Amino acid sequence: ILNVEQSPQSLHVQEGDSTNFTCSFPSSNFYALHWYRWETAKSPEALFVMTLNGDEKKKGRISATLNTKEGYSYLYIKGSQPEDSATYLCATIGGGSNYKLTFGKGTLLTVNP
Amino acid sequence: DAMVIQNPRYQVTQFGKPVTLSCSQTLNHNVMYWYQQKSSQAPKLLFHYYDKDFNNEADTPDNFQSRRPNTSFCFLDIRSPGLGDAAMYLCATSAGAMPDTQYFGPGTRLTVL
Repeated sequence: ILNVEQSPQSLHVQEGDSTNFTCSFPSSNFYALHWYRWETAKSPEALFVMTLNGDEKKKGRISATLNTKEGYSYLYIKGSQPEDSATYLCATIGGGSNYKLTFGKGTLLTVNP
Repeated sequence: DAMVIQNPRYQVTQFGKPVTLSCSQTLNHNVMYWYQQKSSQAPKLLFHYYDKDFNNEADTPDNFQSRRPNTSFCFLDIRSPGLGDAAMYLCATSAGAMPDTQYFGPGTRLTVL
């Protein structure tokens, strides 16, 4: 069983604050990690796909890092805006499967204006 | 431009009354997935199609079936919904095997009375 844990479960920040949250996963048999942003009443949107230890990816004010040896990924948001309010989901592929995404429960981010 | 469309967005059914959820895609992707997300839980893969090849997850109840009549459409049939089947059902597509990005629809929220 591949357990993906995300923390914190929820987070409230003020507009302009920078924030980060964590995705932890078993480091053995790791294949890839995905980050998604899911705004209320919309489709989950892919942010990053990361495969290599030490990977760093950036999309605007959002960036992510990956440590496959210790089994974690960080997602950073610089200068949070109200439109960043969403649930951020991470999911990994591993354990011998080449197709199955195993999701965490997500981190619900609320950015107050 | 919607790429993965799910209908309906909200579905109410009665205990034991069969229900079908639909998903269509304009991406011409080979792979289509169905996920179930219960309240405060991680999305969980039920099954996926690679072209016409159906792949059921070992722990997906027999009550859940799927059909993919062509590349564009995929259906989730719940033969006898129970109260425990109330959830958000997400459809997703990918071009091929992992680590390809998955593209999600907005989901169908199923209520069982």
